[in-house]
Amino acid sequence: QQQVKQSPQSLIVQKGGISIINCAYENTAFDYFPWYQQFPGKGPALLIAIRPDVSEKKEGRFTISFNKSAKQFSLHIMDSQPGDSATYFCAASIQGSNYKLTFGKGTLLTVNP
Amino acid sequence: NAGVMQNPRHLVRRRGQEARLRCSPMKGHSHVYWYRQLPEEGLKFMVYLQKENIIDESGMPKERFSAEFPKEGPSILRIQQVVRGDSAAYFCASSQRSAMETQYFGPGTRLLVL
Repeated sequence: QQQVKQSPQSLIVQKGGISIINCAYENTAFDYFPWYQQFPGKGPALLIAIRPDVSEKKEGRFTISFNKSAKQFSLHIMDSQPGDSATYFCAASIQGSNYKLTFGKGTLLTVNP
Repeated sequence: NAGVMQNPRHLVRRRGQEARLRCSPMKGHSHVYWYRQLPEEGLKFMVYLQKENIIDESGMPKERFSAEFPKEGPSILRIQQVVRGDSAAYFCASSQRSAMETQYFGPGTRLLVL
């Protein structure tokens, strides 16, 4: 069964610190790896995404690192801010079925002031 | 441009009743996706629809669940004879021209079955 395993379940970081969330997958057919941010009472919003032809993608304070051989990818949030406090989901999908996202269980990030 | 809208935001049903969840995609979007989020779980794909067509319902339970996206009006996810295990957040997402594009999620409907 297609699975995406996400860790940690929760994370507490001080303001200005680096938040790191990791995901591992099993299905080598996955070729699209987005990260979603979800605030309480809201739907998930696409944050950043990567395809396996690159090992890293950066957008502002958010960076995805991708290790194809290890079947792992991670989200790094630099200079974490209290406004970043949210639940973060990694996801993956297969070429030709990119609409069918398989999500990790989520990481609740708390950034203390 | 209004985002994806879902209603109701909260729905309480007793076991055996029917639940109807509505989703209005973003303006100009013709692809709709439904996901279910159980407590402390990630979202799980249920069904993908285009106007008047079900494209992929591989994630939807075979019994009691159905979905439609009529030519006019919102997409509807219908759950008949609800059970307590149906209690979850149901999210709708939409994309514009194809399933390859970014999905924009609505705020979800929280269903509680008593």
